[in-house]
Amino acid sequence: EVQLLESGGGLVQPGGSLRLSCAASGYTLSAYGVSWVRQAPGKGLEWVSGISGSGSNTYYADSVRGRFTISRDNYKNTLWLQMHSLSAEDTAVYYCAKDGESGTSPYYFDFWGQGTLVTVSS
Amino acid sequence: DIQLTQSPSTLSASVGDRVTITCRASQSVNTWLAWYQQKPGKAPKLLIYKASTLEGGVPSRFSGSGSGTEFSLTISSLQPDDFATYYCQQYNSYWTFGQGTKVEIK
Repeated sequence: EVQLLESGGGLVQPGGSLRLSCAASGYTLSAYGVSWVRQAPGKGLEWVSGISGSGSNTYYADSVRGRFTISRDNYKNTLWLQMHSLSAEDTAVYYCAKDGESGTSPYYFDFWGQGTLVTVSS
Repeated sequence: DIQLTQSPSTLSASVGDRVTITCRASQSVNTWLAWYQQKPGKAPKLLIYKASTLEGGVPSRFSGSGSGTEFSLTISSLQPDDFATYYCQQYNSYWTFGQGTKVEIK
């Protein structure tokens, strides 16, 4: 059974940093890309960042490029999203989501984690 | 960047109704479009990918159609479990989501 479990969310001050983790299991991690998608309170879904199965290709939304870094370690079955220079606009539930097909992204997302809440506030 | 516009933003319907949600892309995405259902406090759930392919385990009352810039999601007979928010997503060029359509009880 495919499982994605996010962690690392919490309260952080404006300008601060946070690292989110996504523990993946139940499938061959190196074969599938994974993305981070966020949802601000009461708002819609926003794609944030993606990484290929091998980790050699990374992708970022304009809103986070230069501030966020996505990475993965397939041996540890874990992906990360390092976030810097956080502002109130980054407050959201952050989901990790697995590509629905193996190969070169982009693909739809067939499995999602339960999400982790990041709150940026003083 | 490719923008997706869903209509309507809110839809009031009754159990048994046939409902259709439209998603319009700012440029062609071929058939690289997916639909998701999200309930409050839960992660989105994949319903349809490649515009019209039903994900395994999704009831057949859900269907998708379209190509290029115009797409639709249809629920043939609305069930109590279907009251939720629905999002389209393009994956032709990176990823973009529509703003969502909330299906509420009439």
